[in-house]
Amino acid sequence: QITLKESGPTLVKPTQTLTLTCTFSGFSLTTSGVGVGWIRQPPGKALEWLALIYWDGDKRYSPSLKSRLTITTDTSKNQVVLTVTNMDPVDTATYYCARARRSSSWYADYWGQGTLVTVSS
Amino acid sequence: QSVLTQPPSVSGAPGQRVTISCTGSSSNIGAGYDVHWYQQLPGTAPKLLIYGNSNRPSGVPDRFSGSKSGTSASLAITGLQAEDEADYYCQSFDSSLNAYVFGTGTNVTVL
Repeated sequence: QITLKESGPTLVKPTQTLTLTCTFSGFSLTTSGVGVGWIRQPPGKALEWLALIYWDGDKRYSPSLKSRLTITTDTSKNQVVLTVTNMDPVDTATYYCARARRSSSWYADYWGQGTLVTVSS
Repeated sequence: QSVLTQPPSVSGAPGQRVTISCTGSSSNIGAGYDVHWYQQLPGTAPKLLIYGNSNRPSGVPDRFSGSKSGTSASLAITGLQAEDEADYYCQSFDSSLNAYVFGTGTNVTVL
């Protein structure tokens, strides 16, 4: 059974750095063709892809947020961590992690439940 | 503003067929990148509905089907049911942006 779960703070102040952890089970991030991605969704708005890390260590970032994002993995703990620097109220959103499968454009076949992060002073 | 445009809403009576379009360009769908579709029920995480343009994951009813032509893709729901009320998103890759992109989303209402 494949599961993913996001964890981290629910409230951060403007200019702070957000650190989110995705803990997964039921698959290995060392398996060819597998990755873990982060996606966010502001309240009432559409999904937005943020970052993706592949089984071979390759990392991809949303160009519009690249300077603020870092994605890392701890394969021994089955965890993927996303950091977002210089948080702003517009970054208020539900943040999801998902298992990614290789395609000409990757797709997410399993999703975590999401965690709502509010940015406010 | 997403490069994949979907109608904000579509509706249909139970049992009817509805289609959701996902309009892109020559740098994404038209360039041959796969299109995937997700269903998001109210208050829940998205769920993979269609991958690789037209493939259904195990457990997804065959009432849902996907297709792609030129710079657009479509999701069709036949035999519409009340439980299909949700938001639907398409997703692909854009080579000009060098980014994975989601569509603007479509809310399906069952009348």
